[in-house]
Amino acid sequence: DTEVTQTPKHLVMGMTNKKSLKCEQHMGHRAMYWYKQKAKKPPELMFVYSYEKLSINESVPSRFSPECPNSSLLNLHLHALQPEDSALYLCASTDEATGELFFGEGSRLTVL
Amino acid sequence: GEDVEQSLFLSVREGDSSVINCTYTDSSSTYLYWYKQEPGAGLQLLTYIFSNMDMKQDQRLTVLLNKKDKHLSLRIADTQTGDSAIYFCAEIKNAGNMLTFGGGTRLMVKP
Repeated sequence: DTEVTQTPKHLVMGMTNKKSLKCEQHMGHRAMYWYKQKAKKPPELMFVYSYEKLSINESVPSRFSPECPNSSLLNLHLHALQPEDSALYLCASTDEATGELFFGEGSRLTVL
Repeated sequence: GEDVEQSLFLSVREGDSSVINCTYTDSSSTYLYWYKQEPGAGLQLLTYIFSNMDMKQDQRLTVLLNKKDKHLSLRIADTQTGDSAIYFCAEIKNAGNMLTFGGGTRLMVKP
């Protein structure tokens, strides 16, 4: 199993909604990432979790709240988002031993 | 600062070789990656190279790394129309750190 699975694939939410994006991997990777990607731009790092602890937070607004419940799961909780937060949200994980870094297919978020 | 740069666009004919170039500034990078992204899709890991290697070949893909010049290239042999996509190079110091992306090169393959 060399997959990073993200759900949902598509999400439409209003500015007052609370929703969550989920990411799962069963490769034993201990570093997991959230990236945000706008159209025709490279991904931008949001958060890095290393051994289930938040190690990097790239000055992301508090309306995005990450959570790593265990070594296989990474969540991104969303609350009071703005229309400009509409983007593709990508999760990734890395194998420290080999350097392989895999991305999920992404969750496409639209904020109305 | 840390920058990763790529040319924006490359157009080749089907069957030709494509060479996509990338330059980076952080000499402490340990791994360098090439990802492919098709429209509306996520990032597909194509190949990667450890910084103590000069070359890595994987079927139609050849990665060359010039550490002195901080230059990375991806050669795609016998380019096919299905290779049309955006290709991102990226570098990382070590796992659990930032992965820094280049701006992406849009490869267009003409039949």
